[in-house]
Amino acid sequence: NAGVTQTPKFRILKIGQSMTLQCTQDMNHNYMYWYRQDPGMGLKLIYYSVGAGITDKGEVPNGYNVSRSTTEDFPLRLELAAPSQTSVYFCASSSVDRGPNQPQHFGDGTRLSIL
Amino acid sequence: GQQLNQSPQSMFIQEGEDVSMNCTSSSIFNTWLWYKQDPGEGPVLLIALYKAGELTSNGRLTAQFGITRKDSFLNISASIPSDVGIYFCAGVKNFGNEKLTFGTGTRLTIIP
Repeated sequence: NAGVTQTPKFRILKIGQSMTLQCTQDMNHNYMYWYRQDPGMGLKLIYYSVGAGITDKGEVPNGYNVSRSTTEDFPLRLELAAPSQTSVYFCASSSVDRGPNQPQHFGDGTRLSIL
Repeated sequence: GQQLNQSPQSMFIQEGEDVSMNCTSSSIFNTWLWYKQDPGEGPVLLIALYKAGELTSNGRLTAQFGITRKDSFLNISASIPSDVGIYFCAGVKNFGNEKLTFGTGTRLTIIP
C-alpha cells in the first residue's frame, strides 16, 4: 500500500544546479500537489494539477516548473537552485471522484539544501 | 499569501491531560481539515469537517467546524506519548477548488 512516494529523501545542491524531485502515487488520484515547508511554518502550495496534461500555479511558483504527463507522476523541477529554495518539499494527491474536497494524502517529503 | 492562525504555537503537557487547540481565519472556509506531522514525515490526515457546526470524532480526537466558518477546534483527550508532534489545520475555500491553506501549526510536547 505505497500511497504517495517521493524521491529522493535528501539532497544537497550547489547554487545554480538543477534537479527534479520525483513524486508518484498509486491511488489513481486525479489531483496532485507540490508544497514546500520552511522551518516552523505550515505548508505553502507551489503548483498543482487537476489531471494529466493540466497544471496550475499555487501560492509560491517562482523558480519551479512541473509537468503531468501521466496520472501517476508529478515531477517538480528546479532549474537554477537558489539558497531561498532550501526547504522540505511535500507531494500530495487527492481524488474528487466521490465529490469535492476529498482530503489530500501526503508523501514523506524531500529535504533539499542549497549551498 | 494567507495562512491560518493557530493557537497555541506550542504546548507542554503531562501524559493523561486533555489538549485543546484552535485555528482561526479572517475569511470563510467551506472545509476544515486537521493533520498531524511527525518528525521527518509528511502530514497525516486526522479529521475532515465539511459542514458548519459539524462535530466529528476519531478515537480520542474531536474536531469542530465553527458556526461562522472562520474557525475550527481540535481536542485530544487523555493524551499519550504518541500524540507528540505538530498539528496543522488546513482549509479549503471553494467547493471544487482543492487548494489547501495551512495553519502555522501547534507543537505538542508531553512532559514525562
